[in-house]
Amino acid sequence: DIQMTQSPSSLSASVGDRVTITCQASQAINNYVHWYQQKPGKAPNLLIYDASTLQAGVPSKFSGSGSGTDFTFTITNLQPEDVATYYCQQYDNLPLTFGGGTKVEIK
Amino acid sequence: QVQLHESGPGLVKPSETVSLTCNVSGGSITGYYWSWIRQPTGKGLEWLGRIFYSGSAMYHPSLKSRLTMSVDTSKNQFSLKLNSVTAADTAVYYCARASRSTTSRFDSWGQGSLVIVSS
Repeated sequence: DIQMTQSPSSLSASVGDRVTITCQASQAINNYVHWYQQKPGKAPNLLIYDASTLQAGVPSKFSGSGSGTDFTFTITNLQPEDVATYYCQQYDNLPLTFGGGTKVEIK
Repeated sequence: QVQLHESGPGLVKPSETVSLTCNVSGGSITGYYWSWIRQPTGKGLEWLGRIFYSGSAMYHPSLKSRLTMSVDTSKNQFSLKLNSVTAADTAVYYCARASRSTTSRFDSWGQGSLVIVSS
């Protein structure tokens, strides 16, 4: 199975900050990564697909980059409504696997 | 806008079989890949497997011996059966749809169905 190591596991930042989350794959996976946001008690919501493409209807404050083994997810101008846990997911190989998640809080 | 809704027993005894159904409304089940993903309380996401509307399924290797997925296009729903459950199978179970022409980009999710395995 491909392991997706996500870091940090949690972070606290101020309103207006730029936040960066990384995901490292245990082997090269091209750009086959998606990013999801999960708010408490809710299902995940797709934000970024194919490493860097913004899902329709998702604000441009969210962005992604990377290829191979290293991927980055960024939130600019952090707002209280961005409080959530964020997950990366690889789809290069079955079984599909997710990172452990990054819990984002407001300082 | 497609909507997915899971239904299940809530509480299952150890060693028994849990059955979950995902009802799809506002869109057709035809032409898409459908997955089950679970999340133990306070933990991360685990993909369990997927099924195409034609009935072709792929399962997580660690669950392959216990897991069966099926699809009923006439009812616009798909289902999961997991047998020989243990406490480790306690989780919220989500059904999800992959975007058209993809297998693994989950653009629609159900609200989740909590399954508790306990005697």
